[in-house]
Amino acid sequence: QSVLTQPSSVSAAPGQKVTISCSGDSSYIGNIYISWFQQFPGTAPKLLIYDNDKRFSDISDRFSGSKSGTSATLAITGLQTGDEAHYFCVKWESSLSGWVFGGGTKLTVL
Amino acid sequence: VQLQQSGPGLVKAAQTLSLTCVISGESVMSERAAWGWIRQSPSGGLEWLGRTYYRSKWYYDYALSVKTRIIITPETSKSQLSLQLKSVTSEDTAVYYCYREGDLTPFDHWGPGTLVTVSS
Repeated sequence: QSVLTQPSSVSAAPGQKVTISCSGDSSYIGNIYISWFQQFPGTAPKLLIYDNDKRFSDISDRFSGSKSGTSATLAITGLQTGDEAHYFCVKWESSLSGWVFGGGTKLTVL
Repeated sequence: VQLQQSGPGLVKAAQTLSLTCVISGESVMSERAAWGWIRQSPSGGLEWLGRTYYRSKWYYDYALSVKTRIIITPETSKSQLSLQLKSVTSEDTAVYYCYREGDLTPFDHWGPGTLVTVSS
């Protein structure tokens, strides 16, 4: 199974914390590495988190990643209106020798 | 590292989509990177298409969904990467991005994207 499932949308108020989940098949997410990307309309995605929990260069520590059981999670604390964007997770699927993306989550900062 | 894309924005159905990605700041033959293409459909979903990398020789990985139609070619003399997608249909209408993968960091650099529309 190579599907990564994300909620289509999440929302929270400025200053609050939000989490975005990325779920795989029950036995397939435990020993793989998830990365997270942020995308604003009309621009290319930007790498935020790799290897589940490592922040990429110059990424704010308000962004963090974790993995537990069958899900990976992107957390954003101290929400700002500028965080309003789409967020995608991705993994390497060795059985396919290819990368698989989640469907993406639209974050709305109310 | 910077990636700059070029190619037509309109392709007729059944013809071949061709795009080029010029890489600056690193060689396409770098043994610490892979280079490839991702597309984004009008509905917003991202789809990885394929990649190439050099580790004493060239390697290629392609998505199953396009494997019979895709060719990715590294052009070492020009430090660029090309994409050819044959026999296109309306389903191939998308924004196409070239990208770089590091040893640990997937898609750490992206091109600006090229909107390609397949016309009937």
